[in-house]
Formats: sequence, structure tokens, C-alpha cells
Amino acid sequence: EAGVAQSPRYKIIEKRQSVAFWCNPISGHATLYWYQQILGQGPKLLIQFQNNGVVDDSQLPKDRFSAERLKGVDSTLKIQPAKLEDSAVYLCASSLGLTNTEAFFGQGTRLTVV
Amino acid sequence: DAKTTQPNSMESNEEEPVHLPCNHSTISGTDYIHWYRQLPSQGPEYVIHGLTSNVNNRMASLAIAEDRKSSTLILHRATLRDAAVYYCILRGMWGSARQLTFGSGTQLTVLP
Repeated sequence: EAGVAQSPRYKIIEKRQSVAFWCNPISGHATLYWYQQILGQGPKLLIQFQNNGVVDDSQLPKDRFSAERLKGVDSTLKIQPAKLEDSAVYLCASSLGLTNTEAFFGQGTRLTVV
Repeated sequence: DAKTTQPNSMESNEEEPVHLPCNHSTISGTDYIHWYRQLPSQGPEYVIHGLTSNVNNRMASLAIAEDRKSSTLILHRATLRDAAVYYCILRGMWGSARQLTFGSGTQLTVLP
């Protein structure tokens, strides 16, 4: 089966610019996650969707980050305006459900803010 | 939320077994123990999970202590491709405990 697709793979932007990342989860997966992984650290959960509803966004910096999952399939994560500290790999993952099901991760988008 | 403690790093020789420990002394009765690993420049990948009984799959084995306060991920024959960061994660059944929350993991180095 096809895995979780993310694009772009790499992005370089200047601080204060905006950027968007796209994620296409595995077909039929109701749960979608966005993570931020700063170099040398474990992934940090930003937001979690169940179908097109938000389950948890407690660690999403809502003043600059936004995410949506229209129609409960694809998702986009946006940063506006970007800061230097947003430089990280942004990972998307999906799973069949919320509890104790295997999560499948995409390869991530590496963002560099200069 | 229940937390896990893992060594920062471990080394193993190729083709030898590897035992990766994880302590989770505050685990609740409904928390499952999950293991993921992250190879260089890749997203994390699922390895195995269990509740009380030991579990085996094609990738690894999971040994869970009788009191469930610790567990061990066992790679039966380490290969160079097993060099990765291994994460031990607790996932509950309700509310925020269902989150897949990563710590800093154990960096496994496999020596040829």
C-alpha cells in the first residue's frame, strides 16, 4: 500500500515569510498527526485530527501555526510568519484510529528559516 | 501522563542480540507500551507494542516485566541497518493519554 506522502521534502525561507506543508495520509486512516522535530530531539506533537476534527492542538503555537484537514483526508500545516526557531523537520503521520494502532510516518519536510 | 526513561545511547556488535531497556514506573493499568525507531533522515517507524504479555514479531521481541514497571525491546541479531534512535512510548486508552508522545529515545550504534 502507498505510504504517507508529504511535500515538499525541503524548503528554505526567510524569517517572517509564510510556508505551507502538505500531507496525504494512507487511504482509510482516520487519525492524522503533525509533528515538529528539531535537530537532536524527539518528535513533538503539534496537532492531531480524527477525521476532519481536531483532537488535540495543545502544543500548536496558534499565533503563527495553523492546520486543517478538509474532508478528513489531506491536511496542510501553515506557518505565518516564520521565525528562525521554526527550523525543523515537520513530520506527518496517520493511523487507523486513536488508540493503540500503528502510526505510519511520512519522510517529513525539512524547513530551514534564514 | 505516564513517562518513560531510557538510556541516551547504547552500542552493540553486529549479529549479536541487543536489549534496549525502558523504565515506566508510573504506568497505569490501561497503558500500552509501544516502541518506534527512527533511522537517519527518516520518519519514525513502528516496531512493536504490548500490554502485559511478551510479544514477538518479525522485527523484534518485547519483554514486559511482571509488575509492568519496565520493559525491554530485544533485537535478536543486530545488523548495521538497525542503527537508529529507539523510542519507548506509553499510550493510554482515554483522553490525552492516547497521544503518541516521543521522548528523546536511545541512540543505538551497531559496530561491524
